Parts: sequence; C-alpha cells; structure tokens
Amino acid sequence: EPEVTQTPSHQVTQMGQEVILRCVPISNHLYFYWYRQILGQKVEFLVSFYNNEISEKSEIFDDQFSVERPDGSNFTLKIRSTKLEDSAMYFCASSVGGRGDEQFFGPGTRLTVL
Amino acid sequence: AQSVTQLGSHVSVSEGALVLLRCNYSSSVPPYLFWYVQYPNQGLQLLLKYTSAATLVKGINGFEAEFKKSETSFHLTKPSAHMSDAAEYFCAVSDPAWQNFVFGPGTRLSVLP
Repeated sequence: EPEVTQTPSHQVTQMGQEVILRCVPISNHLYFYWYRQILGQKVEFLVSFYNNEISEKSEIFDDQFSVERPDGSNFTLKIRSTKLEDSAMYFCASSVGGRGDEQFFGPGTRLTVL
Repeated sequence: AQSVTQLGSHVSVSEGALVLLRCNYSSSVPPYLFWYVQYPNQGLQLLLKYTSAATLVKGINGFEAEFKKSETSFHLTKPSAHMSDAAEYFCAVSDPAWQNFVFGPGTRLSVLP
C-alpha cells in the first residue's frame, strides 16, 4: 500500500541553524501539506502546496519557513533560522484532490531545537 | 473561522465496553469532517470521513460516527473496545472552500483489561 514517507525521523539542531525536513508524498497525489504538533498540543496546519506553488498557509508559516518540490518526488520544508519554539513533530501529508479529500499523513519528523 | 472541540482529553474504558469520543465543530458552511487515529510514534491514520453523503459513517476497525447538524457534532463510537484501540484520536474539520484541516486537541483513549 502506498504511503507518505518522511526523513529524518528525528532531527536535533542548534538554535539559529537551518533545517530541511524531507517528505516523499504518494506518487499520484497532487496536493501536499505540512502540519506541526508541539508536544502535548493539537496538530496545526502550516502550508498547502499545489501545482508548484503555495495555495494556502497559516499565520505560523512566516518568512522563516519555505517549501519546495525540488524534483518529481520530494517535498521539503525548510526552516531558515530555527528557534526553540520550533521544536515539534512535523507531519507531511498528501491528497489526490484538494477540498475535502482524505489526506494521507507520514510518520512525522521530530525536530528538537537546542 | 472553523474550530473543533473534543470533550475529554483522556477517556478510559474497559475492554469490551462502548467507546464514545466526542467532537463538536463550528463552521460557517457545511463542513467535511474526519476522525484520525495516532498510535504512539506513528503518523495520523484516517478512521472515517463525512463529506455530505450519509450522516452515519462507518470506518475502519469497527468505528463509526454520526453527523448531527443540529448539534454540530460528529461523535465517534465503537460498540466494544479492544486493547489495540488505545491511541490518540483527533477530530478534524475541513471547509469545502479550503484545503487545510483544522484539528481538535485530541482525546487519548485508554483501554483497561
């Protein structure tokens, strides 16, 4: 069964460093998403991506964040200068269609900022 | 703006007992509604979804949920809990005009032997 994969499973970084979180969505999906879950809190939407551009983003997704689909398979989230409060589990998701379609989630990357 | 509330951050049931996890939403338009389950150290897995068809929705693992517009609710039920049901459950709402999901805070289900 096809699934969304994410690497690494755990990333530790120093405050102020750049990190890139990687995701491989399901191959025939057209919409891609990033969510984050701070420990003990709810899952929060960051950004959605369609047709090689951002289609929606939340207020969390500020200038420190960027997304890219560098090739036909990977979907990345870059945090330019990490802050302590960026420590969270980051989930990638993908869906065939946009509105109302089931989103398939990856296992997540746990980011720890020291 | 959409929002989701889940009454009870932690629910404990005995094995074989009824599971009832509550979800209420607010949305200015008829929403799409979802229940996801998260097992420890894993991602989110879809249990079931409501997208304006039948109001009683059946999902995987014996779970079902009923959309009640008058109560703005989408409670999740399972007649008989199994030990393997222990996990975190998230209700989510999607405005058909938007792509992103808004998740509730989650309910941790414990199943006691």
